[in-house]
Amino acid sequence: AQKITQTQPGMFVQEKEAVTLDCTYDTSDPSYGLFWYKQPSSGEMIFLIYQGSYDQQNATEGRYSLNFQKARKSANLVISASQLGDSAMYFCAMREGGNQGGKLIFGQGTELSVKP
Amino acid sequence: ETGVTQTPRHLVMGMTNKKSLKCEQHLGHNAMYWYKQSAKKPLELMFVYSLEERVENNSVPSRFSPECPNSSHLFLHLHTLQPEDSALYLCASSHLRTSGYTDTQYFGPGTRLTVL
Repeated sequence: AQKITQTQPGMFVQEKEAVTLDCTYDTSDPSYGLFWYKQPSSGEMIFLIYQGSYDQQNATEGRYSLNFQKARKSANLVISASQLGDSAMYFCAMREGGNQGGKLIFGQGTELSVKP
Repeated sequence: ETGVTQTPRHLVMGMTNKKSLKCEQHLGHNAMYWYKQSAKKPLELMFVYSLEERVENNSVPSRFSPECPNSSHLFLHLHTLQPEDSALYLCASSHLRTSGYTDTQYFGPGTRLTVL
């Protein structure tokens, strides 16, 4: 069974509008962390935002926010005021509990295209 | 100064060649990782090193041989590769706690490998 699911292979958004990228996860571990990364065509994976399973508030970093719904096991990324430079692949990833050797499990990714 | 660097950025090699990928981190982290990203597939963790000791090897074929001489440098030695090994190879680093939890992993720009 997939532990991280991103159901949107591709998304389009108009410049300056907000967009939500979906991510659902599956774990029985009460302690876990969720990450979002951006991968432009150059290849580098750029860390965007992190949410811990015990965090009381949704994480925010500038134009990025994470809509964390623990009961639904979803951690959607919201990008506000989209810019042309936001066009890239976006990956959701999960870190499960300890003794995992730092293992991150990645989803398939969503390709976001921002239209002018 | 870029946090995680990788060289070369592009590599084309024949199946009988021997080559090495290099990764260097300047973030003071104690763990380093090799990931493989094939087209249309999620990132796959290959190896994890913590304090120069290998802590994870995800059933990677022996034609891939990692080396971690110190906490700042990581190599991936390649020999007798197959065309299906063509992919983007990403290096990452993080602070890995004694509990086994990893803080955010930061990635290098990757090496695009083509095996002819």
